[in-house]
Amino acid sequence: ELKVEQNPLFLSMQEGKNYTIYCNYSTTSDRLYWYRQDPGKSLESLFVLLSNGAVKQEGRLMASLDTKARLSTLHITAAVHDLSATYFCAVVISYNTDKLIFGTGTRLQVFP
Amino acid sequence: GAVVSQHPSWVICKSGTSVKIECRSLDFQATTMFWYRQFPKQSLMLMATSNEGSKATYEQGVEKDKFLINHASLTLSTLTVTSAHPEDSSFYICSAGFQETQYFGPGTRLLVL
Repeated sequence: ELKVEQNPLFLSMQEGKNYTIYCNYSTTSDRLYWYRQDPGKSLESLFVLLSNGAVKQEGRLMASLDTKARLSTLHITAAVHDLSATYFCAVVISYNTDKLIFGTGTRLQVFP
Repeated sequence: GAVVSQHPSWVICKSGTSVKIECRSLDFQATTMFWYRQFPKQSLMLMATSNEGSKATYEQGVEKDKFLINHASLTLSTLTVTSAHPEDSSFYICSAGFQETQYFGPGTRLLVL
């Protein structure tokens, strides 16, 4: 059974600081996604990582994928309040399918 | 970009009634859609895979007779919660894939009284 774990589960950080969210998964997968969810809202797609060593950046967020270690990271640079949300990684469950298994989620709170 | 819509966004119903939720891909065709459920402060749990023109595939522990899924066209999947009970109250979200990305609908919040 594929398990996807994130840590930390909750992150409170000061504006301007850097931090990394980790996503570990238990079996091989060829695709990993990062999503953002604001309270009461659905999911917003942030990144799609398709291969080992993939790195993508958008604004203050950068995601990377190491398929050998079964690990993805979401790095936050110089956090701002607008980044406060819950972040989920999700892993494709097997080849030739789009079924996603979601991580536990990381609730990020950025304070002044 | 790809857009997925859901209707209704909110529904309140009495225990024992059935509720239908629609999921539409607005600007692309989707042979496969997915239904998720999310309880407060928890992650998303995959309920079932909706396949256009064939039966849905349910995840372990999901009652197929309670959560009826119909994928009648390439742009529409429906989830019917039959004989809803308070424990079915949740946030239901659908998704569809387009160009290697899963796009999610805005979600439907169901409250069963």
